Amino acid sequence: DQQVKQNSPSLSVQEGRISILNCDYTNSMFDYFLWYKKYPAEGPTFLISISSIKDKNEDGRFTVFLNKSAKHLSLHIVPSQPGDSAVYFCASKNQAGTALIFGKGTTLSVSS
Amino acid sequence: EPEVTQTPSHQVTQMGQEVILRCVPISNHLYFYWYRQILGQKVEFLVSFYNNEISEKSEIFDDQFSVERPDGSNFTLKIRSTKLEDSAMYFCASTGTGADIQYFGAGTRLSVL
Repeated sequence: DQQVKQNSPSLSVQEGRISILNCDYTNSMFDYFLWYKKYPAEGPTFLISISSIKDKNEDGRFTVFLNKSAKHLSLHIVPSQPGDSAVYFCASKNQAGTALIFGKGTTLSVSS
Repeated sequence: EPEVTQTPSHQVTQMGQEVILRCVPISNHLYFYWYRQILGQKVEFLVSFYNNEISEKSEIFDDQFSVERPDGSNFTLKIRSTKLEDSAMYFCASTGTGADIQYFGAGTRLSVL
């Protein structure tokens, strides 16, 4: 049962362009959402998060948008850089729980 | 910058053997977690730990698994009798008080032969 879905396994973008990574969730109890970046042989690194009381959160080149009615969130990276090439995981949790529920990840490749 | 440290980076064991994976969480954090990622699959929650007891566990975390905080700095995951399907990357994470952001270690690759 996939409570968090990242339907695009991979995304290729040119340097300087926008990268948009998408994530859908099914559990309406989720109220906190996070994006993690993962390089090979490293653990997931926290990137940006958003609470369900907001619909947008911005941190430098990274912006996360949340559409609660559609149960959809997206991560925008502008401008994309070659160093952004990594696997990006969407994760969700509910207020009562402690577990992060992860999507399968999207591999982003940014070419120069 | 403080980080979560995991040892060893790679552990090879024979089926049926016990393994202990070790983690040193970020020093002022109080909530600790174990996750695993089987090759090609998603990162899955195993267990969370707070105030010297398990807060939450998944159905994966059966009687073969246990966690312990033996001293003020280490957090361990023990697998009592390893199976082939326990082969995976195991990630430890920690969180500060009242925070939702979990910080992950680099992981231990467990290979069960």
